[in-house]
Amino acid sequence: QSALTQPRSVSGSPGQSVTISCTGTSSDVGGYNYVSWYQLHPGKAPRFMIYDVTKRPSGVPDRFSGSKSGNTASLTISGLQAEDEADYYCCSYAGSYTLVFGGGTKLTVL
Amino acid sequence: EVQLVESGGGLVQPGGSLRLSCAASGFSFSTYWMSWVRQAPGKALEWVANIKLDGSEKYYVDSVKGRFTISRDNAENSLFLHMNSLRAEDTAVYYCARGGSRFFDSWGQGSLVTVSS
Repeated sequence: QSALTQPRSVSGSPGQSVTISCTGTSSDVGGYNYVSWYQLHPGKAPRFMIYDVTKRPSGVPDRFSGSKSGNTASLTISGLQAEDEADYYCCSYAGSYTLVFGGGTKLTVL
Repeated sequence: EVQLVESGGGLVQPGGSLRLSCAASGFSFSTYWMSWVRQAPGKALEWVANIKLDGSEKYYVDSVKGRFTISRDNAENSLFLHMNSLRAEDTAVYYCARGGSRFFDSWGQGSLVTVSS
């Protein structure tokens, strides 16, 4: 149950694209297509952004997209907006009904 | 509208116990897995426990096994986390979340648990 690896921080200017990586192992990210992503603004409840690697819940802008290659999943945010500035966490199913989160990435919109 | 409202957090001494509750509304509670996720100050999110629809199966992160117990009351649309033998490292905001078999699609605002003497 080791945490997934994410960059501590990423940044981009409004209108640009950024990608946040999430690296695990063949026992979690690489073994299942059950990666999800969450957005956290200070003092607010986490927001569900992506599930099953690539799927977007209703209400999430199509600027947010997910992908996976091997043991690494990625969240790409295109057309960056000021309100996208937040912490982002990946999460993966890790077998036997357990889940593991990443260490979190702080996105700064310059 | 899905609503999850946690309660029961507070200050407790090391070795003490606490019970968190989560009142759910706006959806058919008995048809969803439910979970607890926590975030220690300045740290990452951490999945703590989840429970199957009928409460027949429960799973825990290694660090809380034997100390925490997740339970649910489908008649009252409520989720619980019984926490015993609390340690300083259990200090965190505890979130109630809908789901937990693959993802968490709705979250509460969280309840702060502080373990300190």
